[in-house]
Amino acid sequence: DQQVKQNSPSLSVQEGRISILNCDYTNSMFDYFLWYKKYPAEGPTFLISISSIKDKNEDGRFTVFLNKSAKHLSLHIVPSQPGDSAVYFCAARNNFNKFYFGSGTKLNVKP
Amino acid sequence: NAGVTQTPKFQVLKTGQSMTLQCAQDMNHEYMSWYRQDPGMGLRLIHYSVGAGITDQGEVPNGYNVSRSTTEDFPLRLLSAAPSQTSVYFCASSFTGLGNTEAFFGQGTRLTVV
Repeated sequence: DQQVKQNSPSLSVQEGRISILNCDYTNSMFDYFLWYKKYPAEGPTFLISISSIKDKNEDGRFTVFLNKSAKHLSLHIVPSQPGDSAVYFCAARNNFNKFYFGSGTKLNVKP
Repeated sequence: NAGVTQTPKFQVLKTGQSMTLQCAQDMNHEYMSWYRQDPGMGLRLIHYSVGAGITDQGEVPNGYNVSRSTTEDFPLRLLSAAPSQTSVYFCASSFTGLGNTEAFFGQGTRLTVV
């Protein structure tokens, strides 16, 4: 049973618009949430994270929102750029430092 | 900075063969782990280690062995390869303990079992 779920396998957005990627989790003991970006034939690379004690973290064009009551987090990319086209994985960490990943959302930013 | 290095990048095995996927990190991270990535399944944890001499099972450990004799190295052994083990394998490392730390990944090993 997946503890971290990304229900949208793909997302297509026009360049300059906002991309919103969503993630849901089931385990209320997760203390840290992360987003990773993955290009083909490469390993995932860390993008942005948020602690469970916060509800928002911003880094340039990337903002992660956490709604603990709904067990939901989202990644906003504004403005979206063609170079953002990649697979995005949501991940959650428990207090034993184990990371659980969602199945990924493939983002396509159209020029 | 090498980060996390995985070898080989590609491998084809026959059913029943054994092999070892290598993983090394130079960041002095205590925590290392192996994941497999399959279509529609995301990254699933195979085995992990919180330090030299300590290993434990993840979500999908069957058919794999690991050992951690040094902080730097965390090899993954396939004892008798099966077609179901065809996948892309990623090694990752991170610091343990409290605080916000992310996992760093290697570039992956694409394994095909025929």
